[in-house]
Amino acid sequence: EVVMMQSPVTLSVSPGERVTLSCRASQSVGNNMDWYQQKPGQPPRLLIYTASNRATGFPARFSGSGSGTEFTLTIDSLQSDDLAVYFCLQFNEWPFTFGQGTKLEIK
Amino acid sequence: EVQLVESGGGFVQPGGSLRLSCEASEINLYYYELDWVRQTPARGLEWVARMWGHGNQKYYVDSVWGRFSVSSDKTRNSVDLQMDSLRVEDTSVYYCRVWVREHRRDYWGPGTLVTVSS
Repeated sequence: EVVMMQSPVTLSVSPGERVTLSCRASQSVGNNMDWYQQKPGQPPRLLIYTASNRATGFPARFSGSGSGTEFTLTIDSLQSDDLAVYFCLQFNEWPFTFGQGTKLEIK
Repeated sequence: EVQLVESGGGFVQPGGSLRLSCEASEINLYYYELDWVRQTPARGLEWVARMWGHGNQKYYVDSVWGRFSVSSDKTRNSVDLQMDSLRVEDTSVYYCRVWVREHRRDYWGPGTLVTVSS
């Protein structure tokens, strides 16, 4: 199965910072990759679909890029509401597989 | 707004069975792919199964193959996850999820906890 590896595991950030999260696939997944945001006590929520398309309800400060094996989620001017765990997911082949997540914390 | 609600979770001994149900409102599941995803703090998120609402295609992660099965109930507008031969490692919060392309977003249920323990 495709292994998705996220880095870093935890990131301490300050409001207003630009944040970059990474996700690497063990083999090419094309652009068949999503990003999810999960806040405490809530299910995950699709944030970016097919690598670079922002889902409904998320502001333009969230953006995704990459293809093949290397993907990036960028949050411009981080806000306190963005503190959450972010997961990448590949859906290029079954079984779909998630990364282990990156937790954003307040510095 | 589209809503999904899971039910059927609970406590069961190893080898036992549970049937989870995911009922939808404001959307006809027949026309969508419905997913079951589970999560534990230790193992993270795992995509368990996918089913097209019309039932023609179903996928399962290897760890549940032959033990879990998904089916749809058109009258209840629901998708069920029958879980047999449960193992301790199946303990998890189970979510159902649907991607609605025309809304450019997905919808998740709040989750239901399944605990397998002796």
